[in-house]
Amino acid sequence: TQLLEQSPQFLSIQEGENLTVYCNSSSVFSSLQWYRQEPGEGPVLLVTVVTGGEVKKLKRLTFQFGDARKDSSLHITAAQPGDTGLYLCAGDRNTDKLIFGTGTRLQVFP
Amino acid sequence: EAQVTQNPRYLITVTGKKLTVTCSQNMNHEYMSWYRQDPGLGLRQIYYSMNVEVTDKGDVPEGYKVSRKEKRNFPLILESPSPNQTSLYFCASSPSIRQQLLYGYTFGSGTRLTVV
Repeated sequence: TQLLEQSPQFLSIQEGENLTVYCNSSSVFSSLQWYRQEPGEGPVLLVTVVTGGEVKKLKRLTFQFGDARKDSSLHITAAQPGDTGLYLCAGDRNTDKLIFGTGTRLQVFP
Repeated sequence: EAQVTQNPRYLITVTGKKLTVTCSQNMNHEYMSWYRQDPGLGLRQIYYSMNVEVTDKGDVPEGYKVSRKEKRNFPLILESPSPNQTSLYFCASSPSIRQQLLYGYTFGSGTRLTVV
């Protein structure tokens, strides 16, 4: 059973387009994190959201944590080829580990 | 530079031949963990350690061993590798189990293992 479902699984867009990636669960999380993984490297933390309804912005990236703390979204404005990578959400349920989603693979073409 | 270092980056081995993947961090982190990443399955935790001499099983521990004799090192041991252990492996660390909320994990660059 996958506690964190990400959609879409794959996304291929042109430079300049906007996109949204979703991370959904039927369980409540105390916090959610988003990572980006580039080919040949490990995931790198982008942001942590901890409060229901919280919105955080990181340049062209906007992260939102759902009011009920069961879901999150990542919106990218005017995507660039440098945004290409695997985007992973990870949730904390006050256990000894983070639970990772299956990921969304984004390809941005020039 | 603060980092998690894994070695080797690539490894091809034969079934049954014992191997060790090393992991070292220079950030004085208490918490360390091993993950495997497979297409469609995401990152699955193999083992983790909350501090020296404290290790525990993750979601997929079968066929793996770990040890934490020093704070900085957390090697992953495959006593008798099998083809279903072919995967991309990541070591990760965090200041502590609770500080993962604030700081997340720092990951190594990965080890791609092929068992034939």
